[in-house]
Amino acid sequence: KAGVTQTPRYLIKTRGQQVTLSCSPISGHRSVSWYQQTPGQGLQFLFEYFSETQRNKGNFPGRFSGRQFSNSRSEMNVSTLELGDSALYLCASSWDRLTGELFFGEGSRLTVL
Amino acid sequence: KNEVEQSPQNLTAQEGEFITINCSYSVGISALHWLQQHPGGGIVSLFMLSSGKKKHGRLIATINIQEKHSSLHITASHPRDSAVYICAVKDMDSNYQLIWGAGTKLIIKP
Repeated sequence: KAGVTQTPRYLIKTRGQQVTLSCSPISGHRSVSWYQQTPGQGLQFLFEYFSETQRNKGNFPGRFSGRQFSNSRSEMNVSTLELGDSALYLCASSWDRLTGELFFGEGSRLTVL
Repeated sequence: KNEVEQSPQNLTAQEGEFITINCSYSVGISALHWLQQHPGGGIVSLFMLSSGKKKHGRLIATINIQEKHSSLHITASHPRDSAVYICAVKDMDSNYQLIWGAGTKLIIKP
């Protein structure tokens, strides 16, 4: 059974650009959540999607957006990149959003120059 | 005050020692997760608890719902157990958002 796949694994962008990150959950999982991890702030919640609907959103500016497709794959987009957006972006999937075990991808490491 | 508090923040022990990491939370939860992250690595789920106790190999996790407290124990610790251990809860009052503890950095010396 394939795990959670995140692409790309590494990317470098410059300030002002935009970026799209992809997350393919484990087959059968309908819940996908996104997290930002930085050395200073630790892990912070970005969004959660279940059956193509955003169920929760963290305290991030509107430059951060996401969506989920009918096959449960999810994308997140960050527009007008800032230096502070440099982070590891992690995606997790589960079959049940309340009590399901979480399965994490390896993450997408974004560097903004 | 953070909704999820972990202790200790850092822990260094000798190989073979019994390790305990604690997690206290202040919100109503549907589940509590214990997760492991190795340096530069991804996050791996160790346990998902909604009640009682679970055991997997040398790892044991317990939760006391009434006291809003959970513990992660490692028996016969080994240097490969060195990692950051994170407690996270599904908060019922925020539409089941996952709230993270700050993590416990564990170093096991040979």
